[in-house]
Amino acid sequence: QVTLRESGPALVKPTQTLTLTCTFSGFSLSTSGMCVSWIRQPPGKALEWLALIDWDDDKYYSTSLKTRLTISKDTSKNQVVLTMTNMDPVDTAMYYCARTAQRGFDYWGQGTLVTVSS
Amino acid sequence: DIQMTQSPSTLSASVGDRVTITCRASQSISSWLAWYQQKPGKAPKLLIYKASSLESGVPSRFSGSGSGTEFTLTISSLQPDDFVSYYCQQYNSYPWTFGQGTKVEIK
Repeated sequence: QVTLRESGPALVKPTQTLTLTCTFSGFSLSTSGMCVSWIRQPPGKALEWLALIDWDDDKYYSTSLKTRLTISKDTSKNQVVLTMTNMDPVDTAMYYCARTAQRGFDYWGQGTLVTVSS
Repeated sequence: DIQMTQSPSTLSASVGDRVTITCRASQSISSWLAWYQQKPGKAPKLLIYKASSLESGVPSRFSGSGSGTEFTLTISSLQPDDFVSYYCQQYNSYPWTFGQGTKVEIK
């Protein structure tokens, strides 16, 4: 049974760095073809893909956010971590992690709401 | 970046209607397209992958077609549970991108 769960602060201040952790079970990120992504959705708006890390530790980022994002994995802990620097109120969103094995995102976490406010 | 454009943004229909949502890519993505359904307050759910492959457990009233730059999601007979939002997403090349979404409303 595949599950993913996001964790991190619900509230961050402008200019701070956000660190989110995706803890998963039911699959291994060392299996060939397996990847985990982060996706966000501001309230009432569309989904936005942020970053992906694959089984081979290759990393890919959104063009508009790549200077602010870092994705990493700890295979032994079954975790993927996303950091986003210089947070702004426009970054207020639900943040999801999701698994993909080259057929779309087949499993998603329930999401974690991050609000950026002073 | 590949831009994904969905139309319409909002669709008004009735239970039992056949509806089609279109997704256009700014360049060819072969068949590397997925469709998702999102209910309010929930994470998206994968419906279709590789443009036309139905995800396990998804009702057969959902179907996808297309290749290259033009794709469609068809719901053959709308059910009450289907009046929610739908998104397309390309995974042909990085950065991956989503369409802006289509909300299906009750007429």
